[in-house]
Amino acid sequence: QVQLVQSGAEVRKPGASVKVSCRTSGYTFTTYYIHWVRQAPGQGLEYMGMINIRGGNSMYAPKFQGGLTLTRDTSTTTAYMELSSLRYEDTAIYYCARESPSTFNFDHWGQGTLVTVSS
Amino acid sequence: QSALTQPASVSGSPGQSITVSCTGTSSDVGLYNHVCWYQQHPDKAPKLMMYDVNKRPSGVSNRFSGSKSGNTASLTISGLQADDEADYYCTAYSSSNTYVFGIGTKVLVL
Repeated sequence: QVQLVQSGAEVRKPGASVKVSCRTSGYTFTTYYIHWVRQAPGQGLEYMGMINIRGGNSMYAPKFQGGLTLTRDTSTTTAYMELSSLRYEDTAIYYCARESPSTFNFDHWGQGTLVTVSS
Repeated sequence: QSALTQPASVSGSPGQSITVSCTGTSSDVGLYNHVCWYQQHPDKAPKLMMYDVNKRPSGVSNRFSGSKSGNTASLTISGLQADDEADYYCTAYSSSNTYVFGIGTKVLVL
């Protein structure tokens, strides 16, 4: 069955970077996109960006351009989300989600990774 | 890019029908039929409930239905059940080639 399994919780200081992984299985990794969405405590969902796994090209929501880097490793069927220059307001649960190209919906999600920014 | 507007909460009794609205602009909800709805139970990942306005993924109950008129999309839950109590988020693909989410609606089963 399709699975997206994310790495564990992280704690970082302001100004640091964090890299979260999303290990996939149960489908052909290169034929889907991976999107990243975050949710601050008690808040709604916020779209961050996506990576085309086959081509490796990525697209970022305007708010995250410059600080967000999405990558993938096709040998391990894992996608990565790296967020730099962390601020307190980046404290959130970060989700990866899968999209079949040009379907515009996220049909499977990872379990989420809590990133806490604290001094 | 502003979040799509949703009511903070909608409630109903078991067996009743409720509708959650999602209002955007001509640059997102009104632009394409790529409107989706996600259900999120507490401390769980979101789950796709509706895509392309009114299409249900396999396994989603036919008690859930979707529609759109202009810049407003709607999700209707009929025959409300206890397990339907959750947060619901709409999302739309926008003219900036990115996605925008709604602020979320808490559905309460009285």
